[in-house]
Amino acid sequence: GEDVEQSLFLSVREGDSSVINCTYTDSSSTYLYWYKQEPGAGLQLLTYIFSNMDMKQDQRLTVLLNKKDKHLSLRIADTQTGDSAIYFCADRTPQTGANNLFFGTGTRLTVIP
Amino acid sequence: DTEVTQTPKHLVMGMTNKKSLKCEQHMGHRAMYWYKQKAKKPPELMFVYSYEKLSINESVPSRFSPECPNSSLLNLHLHALQPEDSALYLCASSQVGAGTEAFFGQGTRLTVV
Repeated sequence: GEDVEQSLFLSVREGDSSVINCTYTDSSSTYLYWYKQEPGAGLQLLTYIFSNMDMKQDQRLTVLLNKKDKHLSLRIADTQTGDSAIYFCADRTPQTGANNLFFGTGTRLTVIP
Repeated sequence: DTEVTQTPKHLVMGMTNKKSLKCEQHMGHRAMYWYKQKAKKPPELMFVYSYEKLSINESVPSRFSPECPNSSLLNLHLHALQPEDSALYLCASSQVGAGTEAFFGQGTRLTVV
C-alpha cells in the first residue's frame, strides 16, 4: 500500500523560513496536498500541486515536487507564531473519482518567538 | 460558503449507547467522506460516498454505519462502540473528479466510556 512519510518535528524562529518535507511511494499519485491542523481542530487545505508541475507558489507558501525522487516539500516564508500547527502532506489515490486522500504522518511545526 | 459543518463538536457515549454524528455542506459537492483520527496520528479514511452511493468502505467494523440521505448530508451511526473507538471523527467533502479540493469540518471528538 501507499506509504507517506514526514519528519515528526520542526522548530524555527519567528521570521525564518520553514521547510517541511514529505516522501511518498505511489508513483501514480496525481495530486499532492498540504493540510494544516491546529490543536483540537479540523484540517485546513493550504495548497496542492499537480504531479506534472515542479513548483507552485502561493503568497508565503512554496511547494516543490521532485517526482523522480517522490519528494514533496512545503516552504513557509517569514514564519509566524500563528503558523505553529501540525502539517500533513497527502496524496490522492487514483482508484475512484472521489478524492480519497492518504495522509502522511504529520510534522509538528513549533515557531519560537 | 466553503464550510463543512459537523455536529456535535464533542460526544461522550457509553458502550451500550446508540448515537449519530452529522455532517452538512452546501457547496454542491457530490463526494463526502468520513475519516477517523486518533491522537497524534494522521487521519485515516473510513468511508467515501460518491453521488450519494457508498463507494469505499475501508474495512470498518459494522458498529459504524454511514448514511448519506441526500447530497448535502452525511451521517455516521454509532452502536456498541468500544473505548478504543475514541477519536476525532472528521467529515470532508469535494467535487467528484481529479485534483479537486477536499474541505474538512472541525470534527467531532468522541469519547467512549
